[in-house]
Amino acid sequence: AQTVTQSQPEMSVQEAETVTLSCTYDTSESDYYLFWYKQPPSRQMILVIRQEAYKQQNATENRFSVNFQKAAKSFSLKISDSQLGDAAMYFCAFLPWNTGNQFYFGTGTSLTVIP
Amino acid sequence: DADVTQTPRNRITKTGKRIMLECSQTKGHDRMYWYRQDPGLGLRLIYYSFDVKDINKGEISDGYSVSRQAQAKFSLSLESAIPNQTALYFCATSDPQVSYEQYFGPGTRLTVT
Repeated sequence: AQTVTQSQPEMSVQEAETVTLSCTYDTSESDYYLFWYKQPPSRQMILVIRQEAYKQQNATENRFSVNFQKAAKSFSLKISDSQLGDAAMYFCAFLPWNTGNQFYFGTGTSLTVIP
Repeated sequence: DADVTQTPRNRITKTGKRIMLECSQTKGHDRMYWYRQDPGLGLRLIYYSFDVKDINKGEISDGYSVSRQAQAKFSLSLESAIPNQTALYFCATSDPQVSYEQYFGPGTRLTVT
């Protein structure tokens, strides 16, 4: 069975500062994808960043980057220069390569950005 | 226009009523999914479909049924709604030939009283 754990239900960060959201997962699969989705108050799910497990290089998208540690089964999201618009619920998600049919989501981290 | 749409956006219904949530997409994706989101539980998969003739149960399918009327349409039904089905429901699509990313609709807030 696959599980995704986000141990921080709530986080806060000062505007312009950096924050890291943690995610760990448990799987016996060797090939998979990992994702971070953002859900603002509008409730729309928005892809923030993706990482293929076979890639050693950590993914980056502008102010968003990940620290992917395959051996430790850890996939944290770093948000640099935090902005008010970053305030949202963030979900970590895991997709095994072989089945490719079911995302496994964490329980989410609610991020508050303090002006 | 949105690529994945859901109707209704909000719905209040009574226990025992039958209700249908509809999802339409213009992305041309074969794969479609229904999830429910509950506070503290994240998103959980209810049903998924790889094409019109392929329907599969997800993690929490009890009390739900689906219909894939066409490639672009995937409906979720609650045959006899109960209060613990109060949740936010999302439809999503994907095309693994392009990307494994899932594209989500705007969600339907369902309240069962």
